[in-house]
Amino acid sequence: EVQLVESGGGLVQPGRSLKLSCVASGFTFSNYGMNWIRQAPGKGLEWVAYISSGSSYIYYAETVKGRFTISRDNAKNTLYLQMTSLRSEDTALYYCARRSSYSGYFDYWGQGVMVTVSS
Amino acid sequence: DIQMTQSPASLSASLEEIVTITCQASQDIGNWLAWYQQKPGKSPQLLIYDATSLADGVPSRFSGSRSGTQYSLKISRLQVEDIGSYYCQQAHSNPHTFGAGTKLELK
Repeated sequence: EVQLVESGGGLVQPGRSLKLSCVASGFTFSNYGMNWIRQAPGKGLEWVAYISSGSSYIYYAETVKGRFTISRDNAKNTLYLQMTSLRSEDTALYYCARRSSYSGYFDYWGQGVMVTVSS
Repeated sequence: DIQMTQSPASLSASLEEIVTITCQASQDIGNWLAWYQQKPGKSPQLLIYDATSLADGVPSRFSGSRSGTQYSLKISRLQVEDIGSYYCQQAHSNPHTFGAGTKLELK
């Protein structure tokens, strides 16, 4: 069974940093691209970042480019999101999601981890 | 970036009713379109991909269609377990943008 378990969220002050993790199981992690997608409270879904299976290709949403860094450790089956210079508008539930092997769809999602940016 | 205009924003329907949600792409995305269902308090789940293909385990009362750059999700007979929010997503080009969502409630 595919499982994605996020952790590392919490309350953080504006301008500070936070690092999210997503541990994957139930599939060969190193074969799949991975994404971070977020959802502000009561709002819709916003794609944040993508990393290919071997980390060769990385893309970011314009809203986080230069502040967030996506990375992965295939030996540990873990996806990361390093977030710096956090803003109140980054407050959201952050999901890690697997890119389907077929195309740019998100076929499995974690349960999400909450990040609250507030003084 | 490709814009996905989804409508309606909210919808109230009765059990067994036919429900249709639409997404309009700002440019040609071919069949690179997915629909996701998000039940209250849960993570989104892939429902339909390639505009018309049902994901594994999705009931046959769900269907997707395309007419040019307009895409539709149809629920043929609404069930109580279908209540939640629905999002379209284009996978044609980066960034893979989502529609704003449709909140489906029971009448």
